[in-house]
Amino acid sequence: GAGVSQSPSNKVTEKGKDVELRCDPISGHTALYWYRQRLGQGLEFLIYFQGNSAPDKSGLPSDRFSAERTGESVSTLTIQRTQQEDSAVYLCASSSVTGLADYNEQFFGPGTRLTVL
Amino acid sequence: AQSVTQLDSQVPVFEEAPVELRCNYSSSVSVYLFWYVQYPNQGLQLLLKYLSGSTLVKGINGFEAEFNKSQTSFHLRKPSVHISDTAEYFCALMDSSYKLIFGSGTRLLVRP
Repeated sequence: GAGVSQSPSNKVTEKGKDVELRCDPISGHTALYWYRQRLGQGLEFLIYFQGNSAPDKSGLPSDRFSAERTGESVSTLTIQRTQQEDSAVYLCASSSVTGLADYNEQFFGPGTRLTVL
Repeated sequence: AQSVTQLDSQVPVFEEAPVELRCNYSSSVSVYLFWYVQYPNQGLQLLLKYLSGSTLVKGINGFEAEFNKSQTSFHLRKPSVHISDTAEYFCALMDSSYKLIFGSGTRLLVRP
């Protein structure tokens, strides 16, 4: 497919379990972003990758959250010991370059809806 | 700190009526501003963006927005809405770290 894909589309888990969310960016896009959308709220930035490096992790809410990217492609967001407040839609976006001087649109995936019981 | 405020959580409007969705931002530096739309059960789609130049920007589906630096606003408008415009609309700015800072969203509900 030509767009950003995410899996799973839905994930229900029990409090305390670990979860992994996957993002496949558009081929060739070097920048990748994770956002979180909690019910009734706007999107919150979590982390961004340029290539396989993460120069900005400022949005990760706690040390239970981590992310990695390999091969300048797929990214995985891992949440350890999930809590009910982690319930949200997790969105991934990619763009071909970063830099305000050379803006490129961020294309969003459909998201993963995470429900922590 | 940079922030985006969307003053209305929901805007009901009748079909073919005009609509304005309000957005105000806070930033001490120049910004890039965006409006995204999220249709039910779909991902975010870019409606329009302001990067520089003309303060009136036109986007897809007949939407337009005006950048007003003195009022730190970037309101979204459409002269005549359709049922199919029912969706959640998000205003956002891009900060110097390239991430998007979003408002809390406005649900546009178009009634027949």
